[in-house]
Amino acid sequence: DAKTTQPPSMDCAEGRAANLPCNHSTISGNEYVYWYRQIHSQGPQYIIHGLKNNETNEMASLIITEDRKSSTLILPHATLRDTAVYYCIALLTGTASKLTFGTGTRLQVTL
Amino acid sequence: EAGVAQSPRYKIIEKRQSVAFWCNPISGHATLYWYQQILGQGPKLLIQFQNNGVVDDSQLPKDRFSAERLKGVDSTLKIQPAKLEDSAVYLCASSPKYEQYFGPGTRLTVT
Repeated sequence: DAKTTQPPSMDCAEGRAANLPCNHSTISGNEYVYWYRQIHSQGPQYIIHGLKNNETNEMASLIITEDRKSSTLILPHATLRDTAVYYCIALLTGTASKLTFGTGTRLQVTL
Repeated sequence: EAGVAQSPRYKIIEKRQSVAFWCNPISGHATLYWYQQILGQGPKLLIQFQNNGVVDDSQLPKDRFSAERLKGVDSTLKIQPAKLEDSAVYLCASSPKYEQYFGPGTRLTVT
């Protein structure tokens, strides 16, 4: 699985969009980009995943660059409940595979 | 839909004692994972089951850790004997295909 690089921390004002970047310059053509988050004292929570095209669901949008070397997770209207550690993970296949977590980005949403 | 259930939520034991954790995955999910999360780090996979067969246990310390998944549903993870460095949160996750759903975890403190 390709290595991913994320900033260690970010701040975002409540109500604003939170844009979390992830670099995966060595990603291969059949590796998906997954995003999970972990709110304090809870288990990780799946957010979204994609291969090439941009994806959107009720939680977030995932924008993958055309060369697939980086991606951005967008929380369109961040709330205090979105304060968490966000993990970007590259997975070789789209089926059930073990997740290799890095250190993630700690997002702090403030009033 | 009920989530992944884990028990106990907290456990304190002395080193060299034994401990067992229980996980009930989401109904119908064939794949089950146990992760270990040490404070300040991302979760690390210990073992992955597909139905009741082991898919990956390469990072399970087999001299002290064991796990089973009876009838392809519930799973137990056991540590015998525990060491101080086993203090961590033990997370269970299950997956239908792509995304993983995590339980709340069991926080183990070894004194």
